[in-house]
Formats: sequence, C-alpha cells, structure tokens
Amino acid sequence: QQQVRQSPQSLTVWEGETAILNCSYENSAFDYFPWYQQFPGEGPALLIAIRSVSDKKEDGRFTIFFNKREKKLSLHITDSQPGDSATYFCAASGPGANTGKLTFGHGTILRVHP
Amino acid sequence: GPKVLQIPSHQIIDMGQMVTLNCDPVSNHLYFYWYKQILGQQMEFLVNFYNGKVMEKSKLFKDQFSVERPDGSYFTLKIQPTALEDSAVYFCASSSDRDNQAPLFGEGTRLSVL
Repeated sequence: QQQVRQSPQSLTVWEGETAILNCSYENSAFDYFPWYQQFPGEGPALLIAIRSVSDKKEDGRFTIFFNKREKKLSLHITDSQPGDSATYFCAASGPGANTGKLTFGHGTILRVHP
Repeated sequence: GPKVLQIPSHQIIDMGQMVTLNCDPVSNHLYFYWYKQILGQQMEFLVNFYNGKVMEKSKLFKDQFSVERPDGSYFTLKIQPTALEDSAVYFCASSSDRDNQAPLFGEGTRLSVL
C-alpha cells in the first residue's frame, strides 16, 4: 500500500516557468510534511517543510500549499532555474515528535530547460 | 551547514559476508536513522535510534541487521550475513530534539552484494 503518492512521475518546464509538484497521502495521522531535493549520486537535502496546522509555507521560490481535508499538498517552484533540475520527494511523518520516521513518495523528476 | 558523513561511499561485498556501514551524524543531534533506497525506488525507513536504543524498526530491518553507536562514535549499520537483496543505497540521517525538525541525510553508501 503506497501511503504517499506523487505526481507527475516526471515534469519538464522552461526556465522562468512555475513547476507544480503534487503529493497526496492516506494516513490521517500524518502531520508533518517535508520536501527533499535529490541530485544524482547525492543524498536528499531538506528543501522546505509544513505542518498540518498550516495551509501554506513559503521560502523564497518554494511554496507548499496544503489541503488537510483532501489530504493533498503541492510544491510550487516559481521562476524555475536549470539548477532546480533534480528529483523531488514528498515525505510524511506523524503523529507527534518523531518527525524523523518518514514515509516517502516515489519522487518527481523535474527537468528545467534553459 | 551541518552535515551527516557516511563512510564508505561504495562497498562491494560477496554474499554471506558481513558489512558495516558507518555514519558520523551531526554533533548535537540525538536521533539517528537508517533508510534504504533501491535504484529507481523511494527511500524506505529501516530503523531509528535514540539514547543508545532502537526506538522503532520496519519490516525491512531483518534479523541480520543491527545498529549501534558505541561511546558516541560512529552510528553503524551492520548486516551479517549479507544477501543479494541487500544491494541498495543506505542513507543515514540525524535530527535534533529541538523544534521537531526533519532529519538531515548523508550522501549514502552504495552497497553492492555479489
């Protein structure tokens, strides 16, 4: 059973466009949702995270929109740059303080063309 | 910024042998994790470790697996004996108790069991 789902599997945008990466989950107990960025051959790097008490979290060009009722969230990358080309993983944990036990999605491969 | 270091980056081993993967977590972090990523698939939680004890482990954490952090040195994952299906990239992660932050990941150790 896939508890965290991501779509699309891959996404291609032009430089300057907004990339939208989607994530949904099944477990209502999840209350913390970090997004990780992973380049080939490297470990995942924490990009931005949101808690279920919020519906939006912004950090520079990266914004998470969260819909608790529908159990969906999305990562928006505005003014996409070629350097943003990577795999993006949506993850979830909870409830409570053990935020390190994460359930990951399969990832979205983002390609940004110059 | 703070980094989780993993040694070695790549390990090739014959099936049935023992292997130890080493992790140097961020110095003030208290929670430690191992995750497994098979090529092309999502990362999956193996185990978390706190205050010298395994807190929780997944069904992927077979009896052949063990973890320890003797005297505050490396946090290690030992597999004895190894099996072909253990071939994967193993990521170590750590997190602090403060603010319930998402864990920081290392660059991974690619384990190839022949």
